[in-house]
Amino acid sequence: EAQVTQNPRYLITVTGKKLTVTCSQNMNHEYMSWYRQDPGLGLRQIYYSMNVEVTDKGDVPEGYKVSRKEKRNFPLILESPSPNQTSLYFCASSSQGANYGYTFGSGTRLTVV
Amino acid sequence: GDSVTQMEGPVTLSEEAFLTINCTYTATGYPSLFWYVQYPGEGLQLLLKATKADDKGSNKGFEATYRKETTSFHLEKGSVQVSDSAVYFCALSNSGYSTLTFGKGTMLLVSP
Repeated sequence: EAQVTQNPRYLITVTGKKLTVTCSQNMNHEYMSWYRQDPGLGLRQIYYSMNVEVTDKGDVPEGYKVSRKEKRNFPLILESPSPNQTSLYFCASSSQGANYGYTFGSGTRLTVV
Repeated sequence: GDSVTQMEGPVTLSEEAFLTINCTYTATGYPSLFWYVQYPGEGLQLLLKATKADDKGSNKGFEATYRKETTSFHLEKGSVQVSDSAVYFCALSNSGYSTLTFGKGTMLLVSP
């Protein structure tokens, strides 16, 4: 089944403890992206990648890092999480870019205390 | 910059009622327009899209027409079902291949 898989689905952590949210797609898509979803704000893009080793900042990149060493994987790294990063995170991928639509993962609900 | 404005929810309807969710956008050039749907506890799914003016996207009984003169992409369905209860997001893609700009979402609640 074609899908974008995120792990974990739920995570509670403490301020300052580094964490990684994994994202993997099995569709050989070139484009991948991370979004966060917050009440009243909709979805905002954190980072995106157009191919292996090619990444760029979205609208809200502060406090996040990403890497794209393999085509299928696009992990999101929070080196020192803070409570304002408590959010619902979505990874997405596309074969031809946002103009053609993204396939989204099921989401990771992160709580930083 | 680009932006998308949707009507605020929740929109509450009875089964078989007609649905309209308004969406307007601000963008330069000729963006592609999308409606995504998010069912409870799930990720977003692409519902329909339109890539140029006057195009009509349709799927699962939902329709939306790309109106460049009014910069709108309103979502409609003739007869909603309880299973349509979800959050609906209008979005556009304009600046290259990697960026989707979303509206804030509109929750739809359909009662039997």
